[in-house]
Amino acid sequence: GAVVSQHPSWVICKSGTSVKIECRSLDFQATTMFWYRQFPKQSLMLMATSNEGSKATYEQGVEKDKFLINHASLTLSTLTVTSAHPEDSSFYICSARSAQGVYEQYFGPGTRLTVT
Amino acid sequence: GDSVTQMEGPVTLSEEAFLTINCTYTATGYPSLFWYVQYPGEGLQLLLKATKADDKGSNKGFEATYRKETTSFHLEKGSVQVSDSAVYFCALSVNQGGKLIFGQGTELSVKP
Repeated sequence: GAVVSQHPSWVICKSGTSVKIECRSLDFQATTMFWYRQFPKQSLMLMATSNEGSKATYEQGVEKDKFLINHASLTLSTLTVTSAHPEDSSFYICSARSAQGVYEQYFGPGTRLTVT
Repeated sequence: GDSVTQMEGPVTLSEEAFLTINCTYTATGYPSLFWYVQYPGEGLQLLLKATKADDKGSNKGFEATYRKETTSFHLEKGSVQVSDSAVYFCALSVNQGGKLIFGQGTELSVKP
């Protein structure tokens, strides 16, 4: 149990275009989902926290107009990178927190974004 | 602010060697502490956790004890295997289930 999927697993897009990344909790309901960014050989940096049905809370320094987060249901959150630039190339990871039982976070496998 | 500091890697060991990866933290409250593992090409997996002082988390031969007096949560394993090669992240959460603050990660490479 407690599986989180991300789609796509990797994506290449051209500079100036937008790309959407999906995060799904497959076998549990997630009231809260977190989006992280990981640079090569570095730690995970929390970008934002999203709660189902409400606006996401962004960490300091993260542009909310550039990284649009939607948490429309208890099993799906999306991150849209708008007007992507090469510096947005990174590994994006989501995690989901169950609404029931132990409040652990379960991580998705990540999405590798390359902007050319 | 709250933070986690891990020993720098990469750490290279021979199979069956003893492993210690140091982790210390700074937190204003009473955090829960975690070790996550990231195998090559995969997402993070929770390895073990401890929610209060003196708790010992253990899993797959790995152990870590929550030491409040030294603000540490060092990861240990008595005999590593090649399959343990991965990146290990120490993390804390000051609210149960709240946001995680990660250390920088320590890459472990185990040679046969």
